[in-house]
Amino acid sequence: DGGITQSPKYLFRKEGQNVTLSCEQNLNHDAMYWYRQDPGQGLRLIYYSQIVNDFQKGDIAEGYSVSREKKESFPLTVTSAQKNPTAFYLCASRVTGSSNQPQHFGDGTRLSIL
Amino acid sequence: EDQVTQSPEALRLQEGESSSLNCSYTVSGLRGLFWYRQDPGKGPEFLFTLYSAGEEKEKERLKATLTKKESFLHITAPKPEDSATYLCAPNNAGNMLTFGGGTRLMVKP
Repeated sequence: DGGITQSPKYLFRKEGQNVTLSCEQNLNHDAMYWYRQDPGQGLRLIYYSQIVNDFQKGDIAEGYSVSREKKESFPLTVTSAQKNPTAFYLCASRVTGSSNQPQHFGDGTRLSIL
Repeated sequence: EDQVTQSPEALRLQEGESSSLNCSYTVSGLRGLFWYRQDPGKGPEFLFTLYSAGEEKEKERLKATLTKKESFLHITAPKPEDSATYLCAPNNAGNMLTFGGGTRLMVKP
């Protein structure tokens, strides 16, 4: 079945540590997105990529980094510069070229501080 | 700046008690509005896309409608399995979504 796989499901970060969240899709979608979700708040966009080897900052990119070396993969690194990383992180993808295509989401990674 | 407000934040219903969820938005160059359902610990699941004012979409007990400034998700005779958080997300001229904070629906048997 086609879909988006995020791993790990749960992740713990120590002080000063960088951690990387994985996102893989087999939907052949060009565009991929990373969102952060905090309790009671809407999803906030961290980074997005419309095509391989290209990505743009979203609304809350500080303390995060991404790469897009393959169409299927869009990993997110939460750096030590992100002082409040505890949140639920969601990866999404969509077909480009048409505004009527929804974003499809993975099942998220919950990141906590040790 | 695009803005989206969903109300109420939480809604408790008895099984069979119909109600509506509201999504008010201010978006530059609206190019559709999406509704999602999110279960605890899961990613949002796509429900509907609405493109223009006056449009309606239905799926089982859910019906979504759209005006120029609002969208409504009507739930008819809900069941406990309809309990979830419902998110709306207008799509702007740049094909970027802005998500509301969601409405957490709890349906008691």
